[in-house]
Amino acid sequence: GAGVSQTPSNKVTEKGKYVELRCDPISGHTALYWYRQSLGQGPEFLIYFQGTGAADDSGLPNDRFFAVRPEGSVSTLKIQRTERGDSAVYLCASSKTGTGAENIQYFGAGTRLSVL
Amino acid sequence: DQQVKQNSPSLSVQEGRISILNCDYTNSMFDYFLWYKKYPAEGPTFLISISSIKDKNEDGRFTVFLNKSAKHLSLHIVPSQPGDSAVYFCAAMFSGGYNKLIFGAGTRLAVHP
Repeated sequence: GAGVSQTPSNKVTEKGKYVELRCDPISGHTALYWYRQSLGQGPEFLIYFQGTGAADDSGLPNDRFFAVRPEGSVSTLKIQRTERGDSAVYLCASSKTGTGAENIQYFGAGTRLSVL
Repeated sequence: DQQVKQNSPSLSVQEGRISILNCDYTNSMFDYFLWYKKYPAEGPTFLISISSIKDKNEDGRFTVFLNKSAKHLSLHIVPSQPGDSAVYFCAAMFSGGYNKLIFGAGTRLAVHP
């Protein structure tokens, strides 16, 4: 595809359940980022992958959150024992590389997660 | 601790006039700044950027100004068009790291005829 693809676009779950959110980056982009946007706020950094490895996971709020990118392309953000406070739009972005300011991040449309 | 602040949650401008969106930052390590535009149900779209070694960058109707001493930047849109109505996010980063973007809370711009 031409852009960053995120699935599902919407996810409704119950408190305590496990969810997986998928991101398919632009082909050839080695850098992949996850952000979380709560209502009325800007996107907040969660984790950055360079290739298959998580180079910076300093934004993950706690150990219920985990992300993988096993083949250096598609990434999955996993949330265990969801809480109502996890409700937000989860955004994925990719760029050609993760260094050099000229490497613009391109965002997907996001997954809106609602925890009831 | 908000490192990037957009103090105006909304702005209303008449078509054809200038729109000025403001952004302040606190971390002097930031050396690259970007503006993203977001329509409902879409992801943020890159608009324009500026390096800290410059004080101005222009791209068509969009100009970004950077005042490093004041830790302030602004986005000017001239002339404003109804299609510019969207939420605008200011973002900052340290280019020597992993390009992690720190975003402001956004300003909702409404351009009316």
